[in-house]
Amino acid sequence: DIQMTQSPPSLSASVGDRVTITCRASQSISSYLNWYQQKPGKAPKLLIYAASSLQSGVPSRFSGSGSGTDFTLTISSLQPEDFATYYCQQSYSTPWTFGQGTKVETK
Amino acid sequence: QVQLVQSGAEVKKPGASVKVSCKASGYTFTSYAMHWVRQAPGQRLEWMGWINAGNGNTKYSQKFQGRVTITRDTSASTANMELSSLRSEDTAVYYCARDRRTRITGTTSWYYYMDVWGKGTTVTVSS
Repeated sequence: DIQMTQSPPSLSASVGDRVTITCRASQSISSYLNWYQQKPGKAPKLLIYAASSLQSGVPSRFSGSGSGTDFTLTISSLQPEDFATYYCQQSYSTPWTFGQGTKVETK
Repeated sequence: QVQLVQSGAEVKKPGASVKVSCKASGYTFTSYAMHWVRQAPGQRLEWMGWINAGNGNTKYSQKFQGRVTITRDTSASTANMELSSLRSEDTAVYYCARDRRTRITGTTSWYYYMDVWGKGTTVTVSS
């Protein structure tokens, strides 16, 4: 199975900050990397697919980059509604696997 | 609008089975596959398997092979996930999620992701 590792596990930030979350795959997954946002008690919500494509309806302050084994999710200017946990997920091969999550908390 | 409505919470005893349903609306059910993902308390999301809603073909994670069965009822636009031989470690929220495949402009590859999720079904396994 492909292991997905995110860093940091958590971070503290303020509204307006630029936030960067990293995801590393245990082997090359090309651009088969997706990002989801999850709020407490809610289902995950797709933000980015194919490493850098913004899902329809998702604000443009979210962006993704990377290929191979190293990927990044960036929030250019953190908004109050962005405090949540973010997960990366690979769809290169089954079983699809997720990172352990990065919790973005208010500073 | 596209919607996935899941069945209600379940409480089961160890060794029992549970069946969770996921009713789709707002799109042609048989044109998309459906995934099942679970999340134990405080844990990461875990992919269990998927079903091609058109032909019924399935693929399961090796971790759940032999215990999980995913089916679909095309007449009801519903996907089902049954997990047997339940143990306490199966206590989790179970989600269905629609599969989406897209070809990125300028490439020849199809990319796969889960674009619409159900709200989740809590399954508690306790004696």
